[in-house]
Amino acid sequence: DADVTQTPRNRITKTGKRIMLECSQTKGHDRMYWYRQDPGLGLQLIYYSFDVKDINKGEISDGYSVSRQAQAKFSLSLESAIPNQTALYFCATSDSRPGTDTQYFGPGTRLTVL
Amino acid sequence: DQQVKQNSPSLSVQEGRISILNCDYTNSMFDYFLWYKKYPAEGPTFLISISSIKDKNEDGRFTVFLNKSAKHLSLHIVPSQPGDSAVYFCAASARYGGSQGNLIFGKGTKLSVKP
Repeated sequence: DADVTQTPRNRITKTGKRIMLECSQTKGHDRMYWYRQDPGLGLQLIYYSFDVKDINKGEISDGYSVSRQAQAKFSLSLESAIPNQTALYFCATSDSRPGTDTQYFGPGTRLTVL
Repeated sequence: DQQVKQNSPSLSVQEGRISILNCDYTNSMFDYFLWYKKYPAEGPTFLISISSIKDKNEDGRFTVFLNKSAKHLSLHIVPSQPGDSAVYFCAASARYGGSQGNLIFGKGTKLSVKP
């Protein structure tokens, strides 16, 4: 079984709709992240969480919100989706111990906003 | 302003030859560097990393070289195989700087290894 899972894997929605993307992990990591990938733009950090009570904005948080329901679950919401939020979304996790910055990614969610 | 740059969007190499992927960075606080590989319809997977106290790290066919004075790192794949065809992302973090160890990614280089 995959260590980091994302649901749904694909989603098509309309402008103005509320969308939630979910991420679960079995790695036991404290830290979780949400990224988006646009063609030619690499991975950009949306939000990150170092534990259940610690949530931080990344470089492109406008239009997004997150919820860390438990150590293993981190969800990303688009309150009112717009077409330029069409992208690949990735969740990642990492250990909080010093010297363990490697992040482990889920398979991604392809979101299309019409 | 991009802190991590991969200036070659694509690279094509013959099977069996060496692939060299390059990455430049601007932030002197970066002290840990990683390479990720990404296949279509999958998430990035960790490949190899290097700490700034080293100038080389090797893992099988993959070697990462770090030149701190030039703020440059490279990933060497020898010999290249068709299964290595993927997008490769360079990433950097400042473990003890203001970024709390968050990763900054380059835009990626698409490697094609031809049989």
